[in-house]
Amino acid sequence: GEEVAQTPKHLVRGEGQKAKLYCAPIKGHSYVFWYQQVLKNEFKFLISFQNENVFDETGMPKERFSAKCLPNSPCSLEIQATKLEDSAVYFCASSQSASGGARDEQFFGPGTRLTVL
Amino acid sequence: AQSVTQLGSHVSVSEGALVLLRCNYSSSVPPYLFWYVQYPNQGLQLLLKYTSAATLVKGINGFEAEFKKSETSFHLTKPSAHMSDAAEYFCAVRTFGAGSYQLTFGKGTKLSVIP
Repeated sequence: GEEVAQTPKHLVRGEGQKAKLYCAPIKGHSYVFWYQQVLKNEFKFLISFQNENVFDETGMPKERFSAKCLPNSPCSLEIQATKLEDSAVYFCASSQSASGGARDEQFFGPGTRLTVL
Repeated sequence: AQSVTQLGSHVSVSEGALVLLRCNYSSSVPPYLFWYVQYPNQGLQLLLKYTSAATLVKGINGFEAEFKKSETSFHLTKPSAHMSDAAEYFCAVRTFGAGSYQLTFGKGTKLSVIP
């Protein structure tokens, strides 16, 4: 597609429940990035992929967060046993490349708002 | 490591007045710099970017920014504010380390435009 698609738009979970978010990057883009936006401003990088391979996972809280990008499937971000502080908007972005130049512009999806009660 | 500081979490201007949103960065290597805009309940839209070419960068919607290495700044300006410019603006830096291409964002500046 021509845009980054994210589903669902909103997700409500009780504390301790699992949450799974999906991202379909723009067709032809090799890199996928996940960001967490809390309190309507602070963006935190979580993880990036180059195709189906993890590229950088330095931002991931490894205990409860996991992510995958499998061939011919949307990428996913899963949170096991959600906590109140996981409430945030999760953005996915994709880019054609990441080596510098015009093709590494990151295009952002509309986000998934996760509310943990 | 890189970081971004946006001075002023909230800026108000009158319609037709100059818009100036400040951004200072810290980076150990030459940076790529970006300004994004976020409208309520929407994702991020790229306004403009600096990628080591011209230091004065023109973007969409009449915005421009100037990269000043000596001041480590990348301030965003628009000569005449329009009501539709009211939004949250984020400055971001990107540096290239081994296996690291993510954006580091500032905390954002909310722009209000007064009729």
